Amino acid sequence: DTAVSQTPKYLVTQMGNDKSIKCEQNLGHDTMYWYKQDSKKFLKIMFSYNNKELIINETVPNRFSPKSPDKAHLNLHINSLELGDSAVYFCASSQTGTTGKETQYFGPGTRLLVL
Amino acid sequence: AQSVTQLGSHVSVSEGALVLLRCNYSSSVPPYLFWYVQYPNQGLQLLLKYTSAATLVKGINGFEAEFKKSETSFHLTKPSAHMSDAAEYFCAVSDAARNAGNMLTFGGGTRLMVKP
Repeated sequence: DTAVSQTPKYLVTQMGNDKSIKCEQNLGHDTMYWYKQDSKKFLKIMFSYNNKELIINETVPNRFSPKSPDKAHLNLHINSLELGDSAVYFCASSQTGTTGKETQYFGPGTRLLVL
Repeated sequence: AQSVTQLGSHVSVSEGALVLLRCNYSSSVPPYLFWYVQYPNQGLQLLLKYTSAATLVKGINGFEAEFKKSETSFHLTKPSAHMSDAAEYFCAVSDAARNAGNMLTFGGGTRLMVKP
């Protein structure tokens, strides 16, 4: 019954590796997001997709590449991982809208540690 | 650009005491404002949101917030703290971006600690 799910929950890897995080939502939403939460708990949006189309790309290094195979899925692939990529990555989803009132529903997060 | 400032990165209250978490926003347009709660090792859960209807917004778990345009504030309150309220609280402002969806800009968060 999980509304927004992410896998894996924890990810420990070496610098230079490539890794992917998967996100799925069963809420019937059209828009999905990736946020990064750093060690000081600061949350910042990375990407937003609407109907599989990239809408927001907030000055994220091009080592990060989101992919949306369908409306219910938004994956995040990270190439050449760096120490600074260590963070918690949250996926979220919302109804399509242009008003800004839509509630975003968050997944449980993926804790990435780069050694 | 919109921004949110949460005064006090840590707030400590006794069980049963009033909870007040402060949030001030900066926005060039009428804002939509959100409060989210994050329990340890979990995702964010919506507590309440202001979408230009009533200025006093009631949320889950006994929380409420009042939108004050003159003070550019959206402070979160709860009359009586419970131990289970201990968590990280985030205020956010939304920016209806481009053609669809909306981008949330978060404050730095406030960790609420509840003493027995």
